[in-house]
Amino acid sequence: AQKITQTQPGMFVQEKEAVTLDCTYDTSDPSYGLFWYKQPSSGEMIFLIYQGSYDQQNATEGRYSLNFQKARKSANLVISASQLGDSAMYFCAMREGDDYKLSFGAGTTVTVRA
Amino acid sequence: EAGVTQSPTHLIKTRGQQATLRCSPISGHTSVYWYQQALGLGLQFLLWYDEGEERNRGNFPPRFSGRQFPNYSSELNVNALELEDSALYLCASSRTGVSTDTQYFGPGTRLTVL
Repeated sequence: AQKITQTQPGMFVQEKEAVTLDCTYDTSDPSYGLFWYKQPSSGEMIFLIYQGSYDQQNATEGRYSLNFQKARKSANLVISASQLGDSAMYFCAMREGDDYKLSFGAGTTVTVRA
Repeated sequence: EAGVTQSPTHLIKTRGQQATLRCSPISGHTSVYWYQQALGLGLQFLLWYDEGEERNRGNFPPRFSGRQFPNYSSELNVNALELEDSALYLCASSRTGVSTDTQYFGPGTRLTVL
């Protein structure tokens, strides 16, 4: 079974608007971490934001915020005030328990329009 | 602070040859991870090294192997190359023993098998 599901293959967003990228996950381990990475066309994976399963508050990092709904097993990324440089592929990933490897979703391509 | 570095940037090999990819982690990081990003298959975990030992291995054949050196840098070796090994190989590093810690990625090595 897929551990991470990203159902939006591609999205268009107008510059300066907000965009929400969906991510649902599947795990039976009570201890897990959720990550979002950005991959521009250059290929490098850039860490954006982290949410731990025991964190009480939603994570925020600058223009990035994570809408963590534990009961629904969703961890959606919100990018506010989109910029042209935000155009990239975005991946949701999960680490479970003491297994340090990351399981990735299929990714969502975001294209920001001027 | 220098990020994760990988070499070479591009590598072209023919079927049956061997490929060696190299990774240097962020200073102070002792764990190194390798991931394969092949077209249509997404990002898949390959190997995890920590303190010179292989800690976990993904669902890849034994011809994918590697090692970690005393300075925590790492090599990924792929023997008997097959066409389907063509992919972007990403290396990441993190601190050890901190399950909440983030993996930071290098720019990747793009391997092409002809």
